[in-house]
Amino acid sequence: EVQLVESGGGLVQPGGSLRLSCAASAFTFSHYAMTWVRQAPGKGLEWVSTISESGGGTYYADSVKGRFTISRDNSKNTLYLQMNSLRAEDTAFYYCAKHSSSWTLYYMDVWGKGTTVTVS
Amino acid sequence: EIVLTQSPGTLSLSPGERATLSCRASPGVSGGFLAWYQQKPGQAPRLLIYHASTRASGIPDRFSGSGSGTDFTLTIGRLEPEDFAVYYCQQYDNSPLTFGGGTKVEIK
Repeated sequence: EVQLVESGGGLVQPGGSLRLSCAASAFTFSHYAMTWVRQAPGKGLEWVSTISESGGGTYYADSVKGRFTISRDNSKNTLYLQMNSLRAEDTAFYYCAKHSSSWTLYYMDVWGKGTTVTVS
Repeated sequence: EIVLTQSPGTLSLSPGERATLSCRASPGVSGGFLAWYQQKPGQAPRLLIYHASTRASGIPDRFSGSGSGTDFTLTIGRLEPEDFAVYYCQQYDNSPLTFGGGTKVEIK
């Protein structure tokens, strides 16, 4: 079964850092673009960042640009999100999601269960 | 940036009734590059529809999508108890990827 499992969330003080990981299994990870989406408590979905299948292309929402870095290790089937200079407004549930193709502008057909980030 | 506006915010219906959810795009979405997701409390979103009208694998045929340009619709033919959830549209025509604010379908 195709699966994404996030980890690395937790409680961090404003200005602090966290690194989220997303372990992928049962599909050829290196063939697909990947995305992070977040959801603040009681709110809707917000796109955070996308990375191309090779890792050569990265894209960020304005709200996180310059503070967050998306990366991937295709040899480990793992997606990362390095989050620096965290703010209270970054508090959210963070999901990793698989695109249905290598295209970075696409829909997401598989989602992880998410990990919680609390900045306080 | 393409802004997606979903309406209504909340839809109160009974099981067996038909649900019609709207997603309006400004500016419009070309190529039908719009998807719909379902999210239940405490769960991750699940892909329902892509390319505006194509059902994802395993999605019951009571779910259907339609529309183009600026107006898109998700229709649930006859609501089952498990369909009460929040529904989001998402466009992938232009960067950045954007989501609508969601429509909650609740039991009347």
